[in-house]
Amino acid sequence: EVQLVESGGGLVQPGRSLRLSCAASGFTFNNYAMHWVRQAPGKGLEWVSGIGVSGHNQGYADSVKGRFTISRDNAKNSLYLQMNSLRPEDSAYYYCGKDMSGDFLLFGVDVWGQGVLVTVSS
Amino acid sequence: DIQMTQSPSSLSASVGDRITITCRASQSIRAYLNWYQGKPGEAPNLLIYAASSLRRGVPSRFSGSGSGTDFTLTISRLQPEDFAIYYCQQSFSSPPTFGQGTKVEI
Repeated sequence: EVQLVESGGGLVQPGRSLRLSCAASGFTFNNYAMHWVRQAPGKGLEWVSGIGVSGHNQGYADSVKGRFTISRDNAKNSLYLQMNSLRPEDSAYYYCGKDMSGDFLLFGVDVWGQGVLVTVSS
Repeated sequence: DIQMTQSPSSLSASVGDRITITCRASQSIRAYLNWYQGKPGEAPNLLIYAASSLRRGVPSRFSGSGSGTDFTLTISRLQPEDFAIYYCQQSFSSPPTFGQGTKVEI
């Protein structure tokens, strides 16, 4: 079964850091690009970041550029999102997603994790 | 960044109806357009990719069309499980932006 499981969410104070992880199983992880997408409660979807198969090709939303860093460990079938300088507006459910291709700018996200909640508040 | 605008923002329909949702890009995205279905408390579900390709396992009552800047998602005969929020997303250039969503209500 193809599965993505996020972890690392929680309550954090503004300005602090948090690292999300996503464990992948059931598919050949190093063949597919991966994404982080977030959704604030009651709001729409916002793409956060994407990474190609090798890890060198990366993209970020303007709202997180310079603060968040995406990475992957193909040996561990894992995706990460390092979130620094967190702001209250970063509060959301964060979803890990698998792309249909090896490029995060080609097709859509066909497999999603269950999501992890990040709350940024003092 | 490419802006994606969906219309309408919401619509009311009945089981068995045919509905169409429109998505417009602020510049040409060729056919790099995806459609997702979102339900409360659940992760989104990819329905259509590359503007008109139906993802395996998605019912054939869903269809997509368009290219360039104008795209449509059509549900031919609404079923009770189709009442949800639908999002378009461009995957032509980074960041791959989403539309604001269209809520389909009973």
